[in-house]
Amino acid sequence: EAGVTQFPSHSVIEKGQTVTLRCDPISGHDNLYWYRRVMGKEIKFLLHFVKESKQDESGMPNNRFLAERTGGTYSTLKVQPAELEDSGVYFCASSQAPPTPYSGARVAFFGQGTRLTVV
Amino acid sequence: DQQVKQNSPSLSVQEGRISILNCDYTNSMFDYFLWYKKYPAEGPTFLISISSIKDKNEDGRFTVFLNKSAKHLSLHIVPSQPGDSAVYFCAASGGTYKYIFGTGTRLKVLA
Repeated sequence: EAGVTQFPSHSVIEKGQTVTLRCDPISGHDNLYWYRRVMGKEIKFLLHFVKESKQDESGMPNNRFLAERTGGTYSTLKVQPAELEDSGVYFCASSQAPPTPYSGARVAFFGQGTRLTVV
Repeated sequence: DQQVKQNSPSLSVQEGRISILNCDYTNSMFDYFLWYKKYPAEGPTFLISISSIKDKNEDGRFTVFLNKSAKHLSLHIVPSQPGDSAVYFCAASGGTYKYIFGTGTRLKVLA
């Protein structure tokens, strides 16, 4: 079974440009998450999709970030216009919808990340 | 404010000995805790989890202990192997599916 895949693995863009990151979750996973790790710090939550709906976008830094999940399958995260502080590693993760709060299906599986560098 | 804290940025252990990684949390609403392992240039890999209704969970060489009264959890790796060298992240969730991560502990297992 394929894991979570992210594209591209690296992106270097100039300040003010636009970048779009893509994530393909594990097949059958309704839950899709975006996280970001900046400067070797903690991994921070950005947002959570359930199928195509945004369940929680409390971690999105500002309106320069736009996430979509068309048809409840893959997701894109667009940064427009990019700023220097947007540099970091963007992780996507997915999980099943758990039958109970304490089941193992609450585990999220992560992709390898996209390293974004804004210069 | 940081709700999940890993106060040791790094830890070195001899191969074959026990590695103990610690994590503290402040939010009493957290009810599910996980440990992830991360190698350079890779995404976090799920290691082991525990729900708040338990105080211990084992999976092979890995055991997670949860002390709810102290708001503390720990990951024990016995015996430690050189391949265990990685950054370990503690994560917590409660009421939602989002995880709150700690800053990570870099474990180095010396051969």
